[in-house]
Amino acid sequence: EDQVTQSPEALRLQEGESSSLNCSYTVSGLRGLFWYRQDPGKGPEFLFTLYSAGEEKEKERLKATLTKKESFLHITAPKPEDSATYLCAVQADYGQNFVFGPGTRLSVLP
Amino acid sequence: EPEVTQTPSHQVTQMGQEVILRCVPISNHLYFYWYRQILGQKVEFLVSFYNNEISEKSEIFDDQFSVERPDGSNFTLKIRSTKLEDSAMYFCARGPGTVVGTQYFGPGTRLLVL
Repeated sequence: EDQVTQSPEALRLQEGESSSLNCSYTVSGLRGLFWYRQDPGKGPEFLFTLYSAGEEKEKERLKATLTKKESFLHITAPKPEDSATYLCAVQADYGQNFVFGPGTRLSVLP
Repeated sequence: EPEVTQTPSHQVTQMGQEVILRCVPISNHLYFYWYRQILGQKVEFLVSFYNNEISEKSEIFDDQFSVERPDGSNFTLKIRSTKLEDSAMYFCARGPGTVVGTQYFGPGTRLLVL
C-alpha cells in the first residue's frame, strides 16, 4: 500500500530561522511527488512537482528536493506569511490519484 | 486565481438528505478529481473523471456517491443519504492534459451533516 508520512507534525520558527520539512514515501513506482501549501479552510495550493531522484525546484524562499525515499522542503529565512500547512503527495505509476501525507503545520513568528 | 471554482462554499444538511456539490473549471480540461478532507485529517482521493467517465475510484467512493458532467461544463459530486461522517471539506481538482502531473485544487465546499 502506498504511504506518505511527514515530519515534523508541527514546527514553530522565528522569522529568518531556516529549516526543512521531510516527506517520506513508500510507493511501488513513483510517477511524481508534489508539494502543496494549505491555509486554514482553503484548498491546497500547488508549489512544486518533482519527478526523479536528484531533482530540485526553487521558488522564492522554498526549495524542494527528491531522493528515492524522501523529499525535503527547505525554507530559507521564512516570513510570517509562510505560516501554513505544507502537504506532500505522491502519484504512483499505476494510477491517477494522489496519496497525501498528513502535512506539517508551520508557524513563523515575527 | 483558482483553477476551478466550487459551489456552494458551505452546505449544511440533515442526515439522510442528498447533496450536490459543483465544480466549474476555468478552462476546458479533460481530467477532474474529487477529494475530501475530514477536519484534522489527510486529504483523501475519492474519484477521477476523464472524458465524461469515471476512470478511477477509491474504496470511499461507494454507491452513496456519484459524479457526472451534466452539461459538458459543470462537474458534480452527488452524495445520497448523507451521514454524519460525510462532514468534511470536498475539493475538486483539475489535472493536466495527461494522466501524469500536477493537479490544481479548487477552494472547496465545506459540508456539515447534522
